[in-house]
Amino acid sequence: DIQMTQSPSTLSASVGDRVTITCRASQSISRWLAWYQQKPGKAPNLLIYSASNLEAGVPSRFSGSGSGTEFTLTISSLQPEDFATYYCQQYYTYSFTFGPGTKVDIK
Amino acid sequence: QVQLVQSGAEVKKPGSSVMVSCKASGYTFTNYGFSWVRQAPGQGLEWMGWISANNGNIKYSQNFQGRVTMTTDTSTSTVYMELRSLRSDDTAVYYCARDGGLRYFDLWGRGTLVTVSS
Repeated sequence: DIQMTQSPSTLSASVGDRVTITCRASQSISRWLAWYQQKPGKAPNLLIYSASNLEAGVPSRFSGSGSGTEFTLTISSLQPEDFATYYCQQYYTYSFTFGPGTKVDIK
Repeated sequence: QVQLVQSGAEVKKPGSSVMVSCKASGYTFTNYGFSWVRQAPGQGLEWMGWISANNGNIKYSQNFQGRVTMTTDTSTSTVYMELRSLRSDDTAVYYCARDGGLRYFDLWGRGTLVTVSS
């Protein structure tokens, strides 16, 4: 299986901050990567697919980049509703794997 | 309204089985595939397997091969996941998630808590 790692595991930030989360794959996955946001007690919500495509309805402050083995999710100006846990997911092979998550909390 | 509605919480004994359902509405059921993803308390997301609602093709995670069965009922637009030989570490929230063929998940159910306890 392809292993996914994320850094940092926890990120403390303030409203208005620019936030960057990194996701790395154990082998090249081209651009077959998605990002999800999950709030406590809720299902994950798709933010980005194919590494950089914004899902319909997702605010434009979210953006994704990268290819191969290294990817980033950026929130350009953190809003109160963005405090959550973020997961990357590879879908290069039919044994999908998620990163361990990055929790963004209030500084 | 486009949504996935999952069955209610379950409490099971070790060694028993559980079946969770996921009913789709608001779109053409057979145009999509479904994955099941679980999340143990305080933990991350774990993919269990995928089934096509169009032709019934299936891919199971090796971690669950032999213990899980996924099926669809196109007459009711419902997907089912059965997990057998339950253990305490199967205690988790189980989610169904829709994919449009590109294998990322654009619609999720609210989750079903399965508790395995003696």
